[in-house]
Amino acid sequence: AQKITQTQPGMFVQEKEAVTLDCTYDTSDPSYGLFWYKQPSSGEMIFLIYQGSYDQQNATEGRYSLNFQKARKSANLVISASQLGDSAMYFCAMTRGQGGKLIFGQGTELSVKP
Amino acid sequence: GAVVSQHPSWVICKSGTSVKIECRSLDFQATTMFWYRQFPKQSLMLMATSNEGSKATYEQGVEKDKFLINHASLTLSTLTVTSAHPEDSSFYICSARRVLTDTQYFGPGTRLTVL
Repeated sequence: AQKITQTQPGMFVQEKEAVTLDCTYDTSDPSYGLFWYKQPSSGEMIFLIYQGSYDQQNATEGRYSLNFQKARKSANLVISASQLGDSAMYFCAMTRGQGGKLIFGQGTELSVKP
Repeated sequence: GAVVSQHPSWVICKSGTSVKIECRSLDFQATTMFWYRQFPKQSLMLMATSNEGSKATYEQGVEKDKFLINHASLTLSTLTVTSAHPEDSSFYICSARRVLTDTQYFGPGTRLTVL
């Protein structure tokens, strides 16, 4: 069965520093997609970054990068130069089978300290 | 681009009434939309997959007669919570999958409170 695991319920980081949010996954599908979403207190889910299982290079989007280690089945999110506005819940997700369904990890609550 | 709207953003209703939530993709077409439910401090739980022009498929444990889903067009899906009860109070979020991609874009969510 497919599964996504985020082992850090909460994280603190100092403003302007980098932070890594962990995500491991388990799947037997050869083709899958990995996503990170940010959910601020308002509740909306904001798409941050995507990594395909066949992508050779790690995905990057501005201050976000995805450290994809396929053999270890990990897809950690790295946020560089943290900002106060980065404080939110962060969810790792993976496509489940065909049809685009997503399964989500438990989430990590990131708090950025001034 | 890739904006998804949801209406209403919040609703309070009496027990036994039905509530309809709309999900629209504003600037792209979405053959597939998804409905999720989220309890406080928990992750998103997929309820159902809505495909344009066909019946929705529900996840195990989700009552299809209670949560009616209609995907009338490539930009609109609706979720109707029928005969709502206090235990249906939750945050409901829809997402739209952009055609030819895997990426889902989420609406802002609807907070339902059933008294």
